[in-house]
Amino acid sequence: NAGVTQTPKFQVLKTGQSMTLQCAQDMNHEYMSWYRQDPGMGLRLIHYSVGAGITDQGEVPNGYNVSRSTTEDFPLRLLSAAPSQTSVYFCASSRLGVDYGYTFGSGTRLTVV
Amino acid sequence: SQKIEQNSEALNIQEGKTATLTCNYTNYSPAYLQWYRQDPGRGPVFLLLIRENEKEKRKERLKVTFDTTLKQSLFHITASQPADSATYLCAPRGMNYGGSQGNLIFGKGTKLSVKP
Repeated sequence: NAGVTQTPKFQVLKTGQSMTLQCAQDMNHEYMSWYRQDPGMGLRLIHYSVGAGITDQGEVPNGYNVSRSTTEDFPLRLLSAAPSQTSVYFCASSRLGVDYGYTFGSGTRLTVV
Repeated sequence: SQKIEQNSEALNIQEGKTATLTCNYTNYSPAYLQWYRQDPGRGPVFLLLIRENEKEKRKERLKVTFDTTLKQSLFHITASQPADSATYLCAPRGMNYGGSQGNLIFGKGTKLSVKP
C-alpha cells in the first residue's frame, strides 16, 4: 500500500496564480483532510471531508477550495495564490470513528513569490 | 477558543533517561487524545491514542497518561535513544465529525533531542 500520496513535493507560484495540490489514498479511508504547517503555528486545519461528496471548512479555509468526487482523492485548490499561503501542506486520512489515528502524506512545500 | 499547549518548544535529555512531554488543553473536553511523531521534512506519524476513561496507555517504551480533571496528558519515553529525537505533537479530539470539535487540533509540538 502506498498510503497517502501528495503531489507535487515542491512548488513555487507567483502571486495571483492558481494551482491544485493533489492528495490520494489507497486505504479506503472515509475521512480526509488538509492541514497547513507554519513555523510557530503548528498544524492548522483547512478543509476536511467525511466521504465522497461531503466537505466542510476547518480553521483556516479562506483562499482554498476542495472537492471529494471519489473516496480516494481529495485535491486542494488555491484560487489566487498569495504570499501568506507560503507553507507546508499536509493531507491526512483515516477511517471514520474516533478510535483511529491519521495517516499523513509527506507534504507539499509551497512558496508564493 | 480551544487551545492546546505543549510544555516547551524543546527538550534535551541524555540517552537512557526518561523523556516526559506535557500537553495541556483549555476550553475543550476531548474524549480522546492522540500523540504523533514528526521528523524534519516528513509528515506526522501516529503513535498512540488514549481515551478519557483510560488513565494510562503503553506501547513498548512509550507511556501516555490522560487526566481529564487537570486537562493534561503526559507522554513518556523510557530508556530514550538518539533515534527518538523528533518533534512530538499532541492532538485532542472530540466525539463527532462536523465542526471543529470533531477534528484533530494539534499542539505546536515539543522538539526532543536525545544526546548520546
